[in-house]
Amino acid sequence: ETGVTQSPTHLIKTRGQQVTLRCSSQSGHNTVSWYQQALGQGPQFIFQYYREEENGRGNFPPRFSGLQFPNYSSELNVNALELDDSALYLCASSSAGAGQGSTEAFFGQGTRLTVV
Amino acid sequence: DQQVKQNSPSLSVQEGRISILNCDYTNSMFDYFLWYKKYPAEGPTFLISISSIKDKNEDGRFTVFLNKSAKHLSLHIVPSQPGDSAVYFCAASAKGTGFQKLVFGTGTRLLVSP
Repeated sequence: ETGVTQSPTHLIKTRGQQVTLRCSSQSGHNTVSWYQQALGQGPQFIFQYYREEENGRGNFPPRFSGLQFPNYSSELNVNALELDDSALYLCASSSAGAGQGSTEAFFGQGTRLTVV
Repeated sequence: DQQVKQNSPSLSVQEGRISILNCDYTNSMFDYFLWYKKYPAEGPTFLISISSIKDKNEDGRFTVFLNKSAKHLSLHIVPSQPGDSAVYFCAASAKGTGFQKLVFGTGTRLLVSP
């Protein structure tokens, strides 16, 4: 069974630039969620994708966007990077689907983004 | 508004003893609760979960207790081992929204000494 993998593991970007982070979900999972974890905090929900559509979003501006592909892998795109976007970005996969009840979510190792 | 709170930033326990990590929540719509363990430079690892229809769930050395009236849950680790040293996050989700949003606490750093 393949776990959740993310790439790259580390990234340094300049303020104003755009970044794309990638995630391969765990085998058998159809739902991908993205979280942002700032230093000393718990992960914060960005959004969730199911069947290639965003079906839930947290308190993040529209410059945070995503995609889910037919193989359930996913991308997180952040435009117009700000210094406060520096954080660990975590991808989680599950079989939660849409309104199918709660279930365990399994996380990747994360991408450490630094904006300078 | 912090809907999930872990009021103890750190906990030190001796090997072989019990570790008890606590978590409080404020949102009465939460119906599913999870505990994750996180090592440095790794993503959170799922440990154990509990549905709001239960008050206890056990998996090996890990037991989670849920007290709905107090909006409180706890994770018991018995016996504690040095490899359990990590940051532990409590998380909760609410059904009926059409998607699963996990709301996390700020974590408790557990140190198990030999």
